[in-house]
Amino acid sequence: AQKVTQAQTEISVVEKEDVTLDCVYETRDTTYYLFWYKQPPSGELVFLIRRNSFDEQNEISGRYSWNFQKSTSSFNFTITASQVVDSAVYFCALSDRNAGNMLTFGGGTRLMVKP
Amino acid sequence: DSGVTQTPKHLITATGQRVTLRCSPRSGDLSVYWYQQSLDQGLQFLIQYYNGEERAKGNILERFSAQQFPDLHSELNLSSLELGDSALYFCASSVDVGGPAYNEQFFGPGTRLTVL
Repeated sequence: AQKVTQAQTEISVVEKEDVTLDCVYETRDTTYYLFWYKQPPSGELVFLIRRNSFDEQNEISGRYSWNFQKSTSSFNFTITASQVVDSAVYFCALSDRNAGNMLTFGGGTRLMVKP
Repeated sequence: DSGVTQTPKHLITATGQRVTLRCSPRSGDLSVYWYQQSLDQGLQFLIQYYNGEERAKGNILERFSAQQFPDLHSELNLSSLELGDSALYFCASSVDVGGPAYNEQFFGPGTRLTVL
């Protein structure tokens, strides 16, 4: 069975600080996909990134970066120089071949960025 | 805007009632997924339909049912509602043309259901 754990339920930082959101996953499949979604206060789910299990290259997109380490089954997300607009709940999710296309979400991390 | 539409945006009803949530997928997407986000259970997968047929089932209660119509829109029916069914219900769609590649899921804005 697949499982995603986001141990940090809530993080509070001051604007311009860097912050890392942790994600640990479990799956028995060798082919799987990992995701991060952002849920702002308005409630919609905004797709941020997808990574497949064969691509361990880290990715950077502006102030966002992701660190994928298969050895520790982790897919961590770092926001550099955080801004108030980054305040949201962030979800890590997993999909493997056994589960078809369905997503298994972690419990989410609420990030509060204070001015 | 993901291209996935959900109606209504908000729904308030009483225990014991039945409601229908509607989802229109992105143009060309054959698969529709329903997810429930509640305080107790977090975000969890309910059910998937592909081109009118049920493809996968998650933690969906027997009181809940779904279907996908020939025009590919989908409806999620919730009956004998309980207080604990209050949640945000998301619909997502994807192309699902087959093959090894993952097909991106695009989420709608959600329907917030409040059961009083």
